[in-house]
Amino acid sequence: GENVEQHPSTLSVQEGDSAVIKCTYSDSASNYFPWYKQELGKGPQLIIDIRSNVGEKKDQRIAVTLNKTAKHFSLHITETQPEDSAVYFCAASSTSYGKLTFGQGTILTVHP
Amino acid sequence: DSGVTQTPKHLITATGQRVTLRCSPRSGDLSVYWYQQSLDQGLQFLIQYYNGEERAKGNILERFSAQQFPDLHSELNLSSLELGDSALYFCASSPRGANYGYTFGSGTRLTVV
Repeated sequence: GENVEQHPSTLSVQEGDSAVIKCTYSDSASNYFPWYKQELGKGPQLIIDIRSNVGEKKDQRIAVTLNKTAKHFSLHITETQPEDSAVYFCAASSTSYGKLTFGQGTILTVHP
Repeated sequence: DSGVTQTPKHLITATGQRVTLRCSPRSGDLSVYWYQQSLDQGLQFLIQYYNGEERAKGNILERFSAQQFPDLHSELNLSSLELGDSALYFCASSPRGANYGYTFGSGTRLTVV
C-alpha cells in the first residue's frame, strides 16, 4: 500500500521567515496530495491540495509543489506568523474512491 | 463548524468496558472515515464506509467495529477497552472518496482508566 514519509518532524522559525515541509510517497499511481493543518484540540483542516496534473499551486502565503518523477511534494509557507503554529500533515491518495494516507506530521512553531 | 459532527467530545471509561462513538457526516457526503490519533502519533486509518458499505479497512483491531447507517451517520464501537486505546478518534467525510477532499470533525477524546 501507499507509504508517506514527512520531514522534518519539528520545525522552529522566527516570525516573517519561510517554512518548508517535505513529503515523499511510494505509490506512483497517487494523484491527489492535500495538506492539513491541525491546531491544538481541533480536527485537521484542509489548507491546500494539488493534483498530479499540476506542478505548483499557490494560495496567498502558502504554496505546494509536486515532483512526480521524484515522488515528492512540499508545502511552503512564506512570511510566517505566530498563528501558523500548528501540526501540519501531508497526505496522498491513489484512487478516487479510496482513502488518504497521511504523513507523520510536522510540529511548526513560529516565534514572535 | 466543519459540518462533520462527532459525539461525545470527551469520554472517560474503565478498562474492559465498551463505548460507541458517533459521527454525522457533512450534508451530501457519502463517505465516512475513522482515524485514531494517539499522543505524538500521526493519523492512523481505521475504516472507511461509502454509502453504507465498508470500502476499506486499515489497522483496526478485532475489538473495534463500525457501521454506516441508511441516514449516512456512522458509529465506531470499541469493546474490551485497554489503557492503550486512549486516543483521539476522528471522523472525516467526503463527497465520494479521498480525491474529493476530507472534512474532519473535531474528534472524540477517549480516556481509558
